[in-house]
This record gives sequence, C-alpha cells and structure tokens, in this order.
Amino acid sequence: NAGVTQTPKFQVLKTGQSMTLQCAQDMNHEYMSWYRQDPGMGLRLIHYSVGAGITDQGEVPNGYNVSRSTTEDFPLRLLSAAPSQTSVYFCASSGGIRAFFGQGTRLTVV
Amino acid sequence: GENVEQHPSTLSVQEGDSAVIKCTYSDSASNYFPWYKQELGKRPQLIIDIRSNVGEKKDQRIAVTLNKTAKHFSLHITETQPEDSAVYFCAASSPFVFGNEKLTFGTGTRLTIIP
Repeated sequence: NAGVTQTPKFQVLKTGQSMTLQCAQDMNHEYMSWYRQDPGMGLRLIHYSVGAGITDQGEVPNGYNVSRSTTEDFPLRLLSAAPSQTSVYFCASSGGIRAFFGQGTRLTVV
Repeated sequence: GENVEQHPSTLSVQEGDSAVIKCTYSDSASNYFPWYKQELGKRPQLIIDIRSNVGEKKDQRIAVTLNKTAKHFSLHITETQPEDSAVYFCAASSPFVFGNEKLTFGTGTRLTIIP
C-alpha cells in the first residue's frame, strides 16, 4: 500500500518554464488537495478536489492549474514558473476526515 | 475564511518535561482539529485529532484539548523525548466542505527537546 505518491521529489525550473507535479493515491480517497509550504507560513491550500471532474481554488491558486480525470490522480500544473513559486509542494488525500500527505516536491525556480 | 494562529513559534523543553502548543481559530463553524508532526525534510504526519463534540482526547503521551467557547485548542506532550523534536502544525476545518480537503494550518511550532 503506497498511500500518497508524489513525483518528482526535486525539480529546478527556469523562469517561464512550465511543468506538472504528479500526485497519485491508492486508497480510493475522494478528496485530494495541493498545499505549498514556505518558511514561517505553514501550509497554504492551492487547489482541491472533492471527486473526479470536480476541482476548486484554495487560498493561493494564482499561477497553478489542476484537473482530476480519475480518482487516483491529481496533477498540479505550473503554467509559467516564477521565482515566487519556489517552495515545497505537498499533495494530500482524505477519505472523509483524516488527511494524509505525500512526501513532497521541492521546487526551485531560478 | 478560517484563520488559525499558533504559538509559540519555537519552544525548547528539557527532556522529560512537558510541552504545550496553543492554537486559536476564527470560524466558529470549524469542527475538526488535527495536529501534524513534521520532521526535517519529511512529510507532515497526523499525530492526533479531535472533533468539536469532544473536549479532550489522549493518546499515550500526547493529548489535545478543545475550548469551543474561546475558540482555542492545545497540544500537550508529556515526558518529552529527543524524538519529539520536530515542527508541529495545528489545523482547522469547517463542516461546509465535503471531506476535510480544505484544512487551514497554523504557522508551526519548532519544538526542541534538550537532552
């Protein structure tokens, strides 16, 4: 049972490049979310999904897109990377109450 | 929206002593309050959670208390050990979402246990 799996673990992008952070869960959870973690700011919600085909914005959605075509996968797309998007990104999934996190992706935009 | 404040931001405790971390929330409709522990370079791990119909919950050396009237909740760690050193996050979630996919986090407390 892998739980929540994120890829890649590390990534360096140049300003203006685009990329997709992958998140997959094998727990058949309906609810999935993306957070970013910055020093001194805790975790902030970017986008979330309550099921396949249903997504919505969180606290800091600008510059990011998501889609949910299957229950298992919830990719996060950076459209045009900016240095302000340098952060650690965590995907989480929940079966109804408790949320479990992936191992994170450390992204640096230069 | 919900706002969660967490104090202190850093806490140093002698091994064997107790540690207390406090959080306040703003949305009186919030009904679920988890605590996460994050070790350096690792993912946040759920250590204990409480729902608004319960005032206190304990799991071995860890306990959480909730005061709905004052809108604050606290994490208590007794008989602290070196492996308790980590960053701890509180969070809150309101019932107007489906499955707690929208957690609002505090800014974290870095707990250091001094041997």
